[in-house]
Amino acid sequence: GAGVSQSPRYKVAKRGQDVALRCDPISGHVSLFWYQQALGQGPEFLTYFQNEAQLDKSGLPSDRFFAERPEGSVSTLKIQRTQQEDSAVYLCASSPGPTQETQYFGPGTRLLVL
Amino acid sequence: KQEVTQIPAALSVPEGENLVLNCSFTDSAIYNLQWFRQDPGKGLTSLLLIQSSQREQTSGRLNASLDKSSGRSTLYIAASQPGDSATYLCAVWWSSASKIIFGSGTRLSIRP
Repeated sequence: GAGVSQSPRYKVAKRGQDVALRCDPISGHVSLFWYQQALGQGPEFLTYFQNEAQLDKSGLPSDRFFAERPEGSVSTLKIQRTQQEDSAVYLCASSPGPTQETQYFGPGTRLLVL
Repeated sequence: KQEVTQIPAALSVPEGENLVLNCSFTDSAIYNLQWFRQDPGKGLTSLLLIQSSQREQTSGRLNASLDKSSGRSTLYIAASQPGDSATYLCAVWWSSASKIIFGSGTRLSIRP
């Protein structure tokens, strides 16, 4: 079956622009995670959804970052007024159940803010 | 503070060698530990997941071990091949946490 997909794969934004990154998890997966990965580093947790409920958003770096999953499937990560330090790869992952299980990752969206 | 450390940051070995990648973590009260592979420009692929009650997991040429008391895990790769070249990431889910924490990875290069 289809894996986790993300779009766009690459995004170039001018500083101050708003961007929206999309994640399509594996069908039926309950949990969805967003991560931010800087060059040469491991992914860092941003936020976690269980179905449509955002249970943990402690990793969001500022109030410019907002995530939603209104119908418990597709999720969107929105970054308002982008800054150069937002440049990174944004990874989405999903897992079948509500607990700590194997996560399946998408290919990521590479964001470059100029 | 719960942290995951991977040393070395980069490793280069000739094809055919057996090798070990290291991962250390603070706080032994983990739920599970997972090893991932990441190819350049790609997402992460799960290699092995070890539950806290397990000591090791094996898949093909890969073997991962877990020693909670010492806060360490190793990923053993047998008979390395150029196709094994990638970044290997260790990630830990602690029982008290609602999120997974990654190490910064070991970039492995296998020389033909």
